[in-house]
Amino acid sequence: DTGVSQDPRHKITKRGQNVTFRCDPISEHNRLYWYRQTLGQGPEFLTYFQNEAQLEKSRLLSDRFSAERPKGSFSTLEIQRTEQGDSAMYLCASSREGQPQETQYFGPGTRLLVL
Amino acid sequence: GNSVTQMEGPVTLSEEAFLTINCTYTATGYPSLFWYVQYPGEGLQLLLKATKADDKGSNKGFEATYRKETTSFHLEKGSVQVSDSAVYFCALSDLSGGSYIPTFGRGTSLIVHP
Repeated sequence: DTGVSQDPRHKITKRGQNVTFRCDPISEHNRLYWYRQTLGQGPEFLTYFQNEAQLEKSRLLSDRFSAERPKGSFSTLEIQRTEQGDSAMYLCASSREGQPQETQYFGPGTRLLVL
Repeated sequence: GNSVTQMEGPVTLSEEAFLTINCTYTATGYPSLFWYVQYPGEGLQLLLKATKADDKGSNKGFEATYRKETTSFHLEKGSVQVSDSAVYFCALSDLSGGSYIPTFGRGTSLIVHP
């Protein structure tokens, strides 16, 4: 399978704990995006990387959130001191710069539940 | 700014019925338009796209035509199946700030009964 993969698929944690999610993009894609999706809503953009550089961050991304893509391949999204409001599906997508309109391909998501 | 408005769901149909899910958009640039489908518990899958006015995107029996004059990109299928039950998202992207970060609608849930 050469699609976007995410790990874990589900995460249950207690309020105040830290969690980290991983995304592996399609291998030839140099752009990687993180989104958050809550029930009944479309995905909301959080941040994106071009290669290893984080080029844009949404105002939704509070200082408890940090994302990295150290070698320009996989990426991690960490949430520190989780809150119940962080419960959501976290989606990763990738695209290739220069592809027409840069269609994004999504992973299956990580569903986070904060108790 | 960019925005996407979709008809509210759920849309409930019998198998083999005709489907229309309305989508209209507002964009500052000249966007590309997309429909994504999300099956329960899964991420989004690209269903179809159109990149310029009057283009028709099609896939798996679904179609949508990019209508610049009405700023619309309605999704249609002539005969739905139970397996089409999912949430459908309309989205647009343009080169805002140097990257194609899409704007999504809220999604429309489709339920197809046998």
